[in-house]
Amino acid sequence: GAGVSQSPSNKVTEKGKDVELRCDPISGHTALYWYRQSLGQGLEFLIYFQGNSAPDKSGLPSDRFSAERTGGSVSTLTIQRTQQEDSAVYLCASSSPRRDPYEQYFGPGTRLTVT
Amino acid sequence: QKEVEQDPGPLSVPEGAIVSLNCTYSNSAFQYFMWYRQYSRKGPELLMYTYSSGNKEDGRFTAQVDKSSKYISLFIRDSQPSDSATYLCAMSARSQKVTFGIGTKLQVIP
Repeated sequence: GAGVSQSPSNKVTEKGKDVELRCDPISGHTALYWYRQSLGQGLEFLIYFQGNSAPDKSGLPSDRFSAERTGGSVSTLTIQRTQQEDSAVYLCASSSPRRDPYEQYFGPGTRLTVT
Repeated sequence: QKEVEQDPGPLSVPEGAIVSLNCTYSNSAFQYFMWYRQYSRKGPELLMYTYSSGNKEDGRFTAQVDKSSKYISLFIRDSQPSDSATYLCAMSARSQKVTFGIGTKLQVIP
């Protein structure tokens, strides 16, 4: 079946602009995660959605970052007033309630470059 | 100090060698331990998953967890050029939040 998809695959934006990154999880997966991967920094947890529960936003680095998940499926990560330090690969992952929650399936990521 | 420490490498080995990849951690609450493989320009994929201490084997891959030393390892036997990738350790306590290591870049030379 289809895996996790993300769009766009690459995004170049000017400092100060807002960007939206999209994630389509695997159908039926109730958990959705956003991570940021920077050179030399590894994967950094940003936010976690599980079903209809309130999201765990503890990893969002500033109030410029926000995410929503509509209808329990597609998620959008929004970065307002982008800064050069926001340049990174943004990865989305989903997991199934019928499988181990740590078995996360990742999308290919969105490579964000802020100039 | 980071919760999870992992040597970024790069690590270069000849084809057929046994590869040892390691992580240390500081949070004694971690109980779930994973290894992910990430090819260039791709998302990570889950390789191995273990709960608490012990060994787990899957084909050429063996994962070991030593909770007393807060040390986990991944061994790859008979390494192949197709194993060339970045290997990330990951771990979690009783929650959905997973903490990743920085990843070790491995190159297997034919």
